[in-house]
Amino acid sequence: GQNIDQPTEMTATEGAIVQINCTYQTSGFNGLFWYQQHAGEAPTFLSYNVLDGLEEKGRFSSFLSRSKGYSYLLLKELQMKDSASYLCAVRDWNSGNTPLVFGKGTRLSVIA
Amino acid sequence: DTAVSQTPKYLVTQMGNDKSIKCEQNLGHDTMYWYKQDSKKFLKIMFSYNNKELIINETVPNRFSPKSPDKAHLNLHINSLELGDSAVYFCASSQAKRPQETQYFGPGTRLLVL
Repeated sequence: GQNIDQPTEMTATEGAIVQINCTYQTSGFNGLFWYQQHAGEAPTFLSYNVLDGLEEKGRFSSFLSRSKGYSYLLLKELQMKDSASYLCAVRDWNSGNTPLVFGKGTRLSVIA
Repeated sequence: DTAVSQTPKYLVTQMGNDKSIKCEQNLGHDTMYWYKQDSKKFLKIMFSYNNKELIINETVPNRFSPKSPDKAHLNLHINSLELGDSAVYFCASSQAKRPQETQYFGPGTRLLVL
């Protein structure tokens, strides 16, 4: 079966750094995505990892270890607008038309 | 110049009714999807179409019938609506030949069945 786990909720302080972890067990693997979803809005793409290592994009970085079935999203210099749900998703087949398997999302609250 | 659009944004209806949700993408993608997000915010695939052909149909009641008149459109018709159908339905699209490319999501349709 397919299983993607991430913490349900996290709280962090404005200006701080937060790491959101994701572990996955899928029948295949062809990339891991992180999405941000603000309340009442659509998910929007943050990052994509298919090889091991760290991908950095401004204040956001994402890490992947395929051997461990593990990824994390690192958010630096947190801002209030970063309060949102963060969804980890895996593409389990080598095809661009394979739908993503999503975790249940981590609701991040940024407090002053 | 919205990339993926859905109508309606909100849909409130009575149990037993039949309703449709429309989706259009102007990204030139060849693959479109319907996802359901329940009250616990869990996003789950329902259907996937590639070049107007159904390629994935997850365990979804046959009251749900997708239709793709062309590559840019994927509509979802729901018969005999039930209370448990209340959720947010997201349409998405991607390009099959670019696995690294993300899926782009529409704004969602909030369905409430009374």
